[in-house]
Amino acid sequence: KAGVTQTPRYLIKTRGQQVTLSCSPISGHRSVSWYQQTPGQGLQFLFEYFSETQRNKGNFPGRFSGRQFSNSRSEMNVSTLELGDSALYLCASSLRTGESPLHFGNGTRLTVT
Amino acid sequence: GEDVEQSLFLSVREGDSSVINCTYTDSSSTYLYWYKQEPGAGLQLLTYIFSNMDMKQDQRLTVLLNKKDKHLSLRIADTQTGDSAIYFCAETPLSGGYNKLIFGAGTRLAVHP
Repeated sequence: KAGVTQTPRYLIKTRGQQVTLSCSPISGHRSVSWYQQTPGQGLQFLFEYFSETQRNKGNFPGRFSGRQFSNSRSEMNVSTLELGDSALYLCASSLRTGESPLHFGNGTRLTVT
Repeated sequence: GEDVEQSLFLSVREGDSSVINCTYTDSSSTYLYWYKQEPGAGLQLLTYIFSNMDMKQDQRLTVLLNKKDKHLSLRIADTQTGDSAIYFCAETPLSGGYNKLIFGAGTRLAVHP
């Protein structure tokens, strides 16, 4: 069974631009969560989607948004990029909320210049 | 508050056992996880334990949970050079929703001949 797939693997953007990251969960998984990993702050929860609804949100500004499609695939968007948004963005999927472990993808490395 | 603490570095000799320790703060946490991260990669789920268990064994991995002390440990038997990586402990506070993981800063395991 294929794992969690994130595209693209690497992105370089300029301050002020916006970016969209994509995540395809493991087949059959309906919950998708997003995390940001930086050297300074470590791993931080961004948000979780289940059945196309945002179920939970972390402490990030409104520039960070996401959505989930009917096939459980998810995208996250960051608008008006700042240098501090440079990070590894990780997507995780699980069968459903709360009753199954999270499996992570390899992430998208975003660099903002 | 929610906080997970781990020692930052552990060095072991190949063939020895490694023990990585973690303390967490939220007694309501249902699942506790161990993830492994190799350079340039995402998070690999190693194992997880439900809060009503004291121990879980999976091949070379043994997880011990002391709920009273809020202490979690991961023992890797017969440690190999391929085990060199960063290991993250994570808790799932009930208040945050099951898929909002709170991660420690990670323990870097170095295995030397």
